[in-house]
Amino acid sequence: DIQMTQSPSSLSASVGDRVTITCRASKNIMQHLNWYQQKPGKTPKLLIYGASSLQSGVPSRFSGSGSGTDFTLTISSLQSEDFATYYCQESLSIPLTFGGGTKVEI
Amino acid sequence: EVQVVESGGGLIQPGGSLRLSCETSGFSVSSDYLSWVRQAPGKGPEWVAVIYTGGRTDYVESVKGRFTISTDSSINMLYLQMDSLRGDDTAMYFCARAPAIGFTPYYFDFLGQGTLVTVSS
Repeated sequence: DIQMTQSPSSLSASVGDRVTITCRASKNIMQHLNWYQQKPGKTPKLLIYGASSLQSGVPSRFSGSGSGTDFTLTISSLQSEDFATYYCQESLSIPLTFGGGTKVEI
Repeated sequence: EVQVVESGGGLIQPGGSLRLSCETSGFSVSSDYLSWVRQAPGKGPEWVAVIYTGGRTDYVESVKGRFTISTDSSINMLYLQMDSLRGDDTAMYFCARAPAIGFTPYYFDFLGQGTLVTVSS
């Protein structure tokens, strides 16, 4: 199985900050990497697929980059509605696996 | 508009069985890859199973031989039959759609609100 490791596990930030979350895969997954946002009690929401493609309807302040084993999710200017937990997920092979999550707090 | 609505969760004793259902609309269950994803309390999501177009299925190792994913294309429904349930199966279970691109679900673009399964005596 491919292991996905996110860092940091949590971070504190302020509105307007630039936030970067990293995700590392245990093997080369090319660009088969997705990012989801989850708010408490809510369903995970797809933000980025294929490492860098913005899902329809997602604000352009979210961006993704990387390939191979190292990936990054960047929020260019944090908004109040962005406080949530973010998960990466690989889609190269079965079983599909998720990272442990990064909680973005005020 | 794509919608998925799960049902069938509840409290069940260890060793028991439960069948989860996912009512879908806005797309055909025959045309996309459908998965179940679960999330234990306070934990991250875990992919559980997928059914591909054509009916082939895959499972995470921990549920193989106990869970069965299936669809009924005549009514656009997805199911998860769960047998021999264990305490570590306790989780919110989400129905998730992935477009039929490639050999695995490329990304989950729609997930439902989930149905809670609690396995406890």
